[in-house]
Amino acid sequence: DQQVKQNSPSLSVQEGRISILNCDYTNSMFDYFLWYKKYPAEGPTFLISISSIKDKNEDGRFTVFLNKSAKHLSLHIVPSQPGDSAVYFCAGLNTGGFKTIFGAGTRLFVKA
Amino acid sequence: NAGVMQNPRHLVRRRGQEARLRCSPMKGHSHVYWYRQLPEEGLKFMVYLQKENIIDESGMPKERFSAEFPKEGPSILRIQQVVRGDSAAYFCASSPAGQGYEQYFGPGTRLTVT
Repeated sequence: DQQVKQNSPSLSVQEGRISILNCDYTNSMFDYFLWYKKYPAEGPTFLISISSIKDKNEDGRFTVFLNKSAKHLSLHIVPSQPGDSAVYFCAGLNTGGFKTIFGAGTRLFVKA
Repeated sequence: NAGVMQNPRHLVRRRGQEARLRCSPMKGHSHVYWYRQLPEEGLKFMVYLQKENIIDESGMPKERFSAEFPKEGPSILRIQQVVRGDSAAYFCASSPAGQGYEQYFGPGTRLTVT
C-alpha cells in the first residue's frame, strides 16, 4: 500500500530555473509532510516541512505547497543550483504514531 | 560532531550469521527510528523506540529482527540468521521528545549478505 507516491523517478533542470518536485498521498491522517534530500552514501537531510493545516511554507529557495483536496504537495526550488542535484524524498507523518512514510524518491539533475 | 552516529558504515555477513547495527542519537534526543532502504526504493519505517521502550514496531519483520534502545548506550538493530534479501541500507534517525516531525538521520549502515 503506497501511501506516498512520487511518480517521477527523475527530473532534469537547467541551472537558474525552477525545479518542481511532485508528491501525492492517500492517507488523510497525515499531520505533517516533509521533504528530505539525499546524496549518495549519506543519510537523508531534512529540507522543509508543512503542517496539514497550512497550504504553503517557504524557506529561502525552497517552498512547499499543499493541496489537501487533491492530496498533492509539491516542492519548488528557485533558482536551482548544481549542488541541488540529489534524490528528494517526500514523506508523510502521523504524529499519533510518529511513523514516517516515505515516497520512492525523485532524482533531480541540475545542469550547469 | 553532534549528529546521529551509525556504525559500522559497511557490514558484510555470510548467510546465517548475525548482524548488529548501532545508532547513537543526537545529543538531547530521546527517540530513535530505524528505516530500511532497498535498492531503488524509498525508506521503509521499521521501528520507533524511546529509552527502554519499543513504541511502534509495526514495520519490523516478525522473525529474526529485533531492536533495543537501552538506558545507557546506543540503539541496536539486530538481525539474526541473515539472508540475501536483508542486504540493504539501514538508516537510523533521532528526534527530541514529542517532535517526530523533526527527525535527523545518520549516514546509514550498508549491509551486504553474501
